[in-house]
Amino acid sequence: DVVMTQSPLSLPVTLGQPASISCRSSQRLVHRDGNTYLNWIQQRPGQSPRRLVYEISKRDSGVPDRISGSGSGTDFTLKISRVEAEDVGVYYCVQGTQWPHTFGQGTKLEIK
Amino acid sequence: EVQLVESGGGLVQPGGSLRLSCAASGFSFSDRWMSWVRQAPGKGLEWVANIKEDGSEKYYVDSVKGRFTISRDNAKNSLYLQMNSLRAEDTAVYYCVRVDLDYWGQGTLVTVSS
Repeated sequence: DVVMTQSPLSLPVTLGQPASISCRSSQRLVHRDGNTYLNWIQQRPGQSPRRLVYEISKRDSGVPDRISGSGSGTDFTLKISRVEAEDVGVYYCVQGTQWPHTFGQGTKLEIK
Repeated sequence: EVQLVESGGGLVQPGGSLRLSCAASGFSFSDRWMSWVRQAPGKGLEWVANIKEDGSEKYYVDSVKGRFTISRDNAKNSLYLQMNSLRAEDTAVYYCVRVDLDYWGQGTLVTVSS
């Protein structure tokens, strides 16, 4: 199975400051169709998860442009340029390239 | 508007069975792979099972193989998860999800306890 390793697992951030979450996969995530199915999921407290970014860097509708994804191969990053109160929650990277699809452990972002 | 509405969760004894349902609307259900993802209390997310558009391919995480069965009824726009031989470690909120993870249901809680 592909193991997804996130860091840090806890991320206290001051409002207005940037935040960055790293995700490393144990295998390359390029699918045979040429796409890399690496997504970022946000789960706010008490809510269902929500996809923010798909295929490494494509933002979902309604996701602010201060949130961005990047990376390639086995190393991926989610960046928030200026953290706002609504960003509090747990962030997961997840690969959909190889079955079983696997999630990272989650990174809890809180306001310092 | 895409909607995924789960039902069927509840309290069940170890070794028991439960069938979850998911009613889908707002998109062409028969054109999409569908999935079940679960989250144990206070824990992270775990992908449980996938099913192809026509039901001809199914995939399961090892921990549920032989116990859970994913199925669908495209005429009813519905996804199902039949869960047998339930264990305490199956206690979780179960989410119905499009395989691309772009839409999630609100989840249904399954508690396995005596």
